[in-house]
Amino acid sequence: DIQMTQSPSTLSASVGDKVTVTCRASHFVDHWLAWYQQKPGKAPKLLIYKTSNLESGVPSRFSGTGSGTEFTLTISGLQPDDFATYYCQQYNVYGWTFGQGTKVEIK
Amino acid sequence: EVHLEESGGGLVKPGESLRVSCVASGFTFNDYSMNWVRQAPGKGLEWLASISSGGDYIHYADLVKGRFIISRDNDKTLLYLQINDLRVEDTAIYFCAREGGGYKYPLDYWGQGTLVTVSS
Repeated sequence: DIQMTQSPSTLSASVGDKVTVTCRASHFVDHWLAWYQQKPGKAPKLLIYKTSNLESGVPSRFSGTGSGTEFTLTISGLQPDDFATYYCQQYNVYGWTFGQGTKVEIK
Repeated sequence: EVHLEESGGGLVKPGESLRVSCVASGFTFNDYSMNWVRQAPGKGLEWLASISSGGDYIHYADLVKGRFIISRDNDKTLLYLQINDLRVEDTAIYFCAREGGGYKYPLDYWGQGTLVTVSS
């Protein structure tokens, strides 16, 4: 299986900050990389697909970049609703895998 | 509106079997591949299995191959996950999720999950 490694595991930030989460794949996944947001007690929500494409209804402060094995999720201007855990996921080959998650918490 | 609702979770003993279900509504079920993902308490997401729209292509995570069986009933818009020989480490919330349409799309809609607890 392709291993996905996110960093950092936890990120402390304030409202208005720009935050970046990194996701590294152990093998090439091309641009088949998604990002999800999950809040406590809720199902994950798809934010970004194919590395940089925003899912319908997702605010434009979210953006994604990368290709191959290294990817980033950026939130430009953190809002109170953005404090959550974020997961990357490769869907290049079955045996889909998620990163371990990055918790964005209030500083 | 797309809606997915899981059921069938509960408390089971190690070695027992359980089938969890997911009923879908608000979209043409037989046009979409469907997946199961689980999340152990306080842990991350773990993809388990995928089944194509017609049920003819199935993929499993290596971790569950041979013990989990994914299936679907398109007439009843139901997705199933049969879990055999349950282990304590299978304790988790089990989510069903729709694989978005088109070529290579991730999981665009999720249910709220059903909790499976394995304990003696």
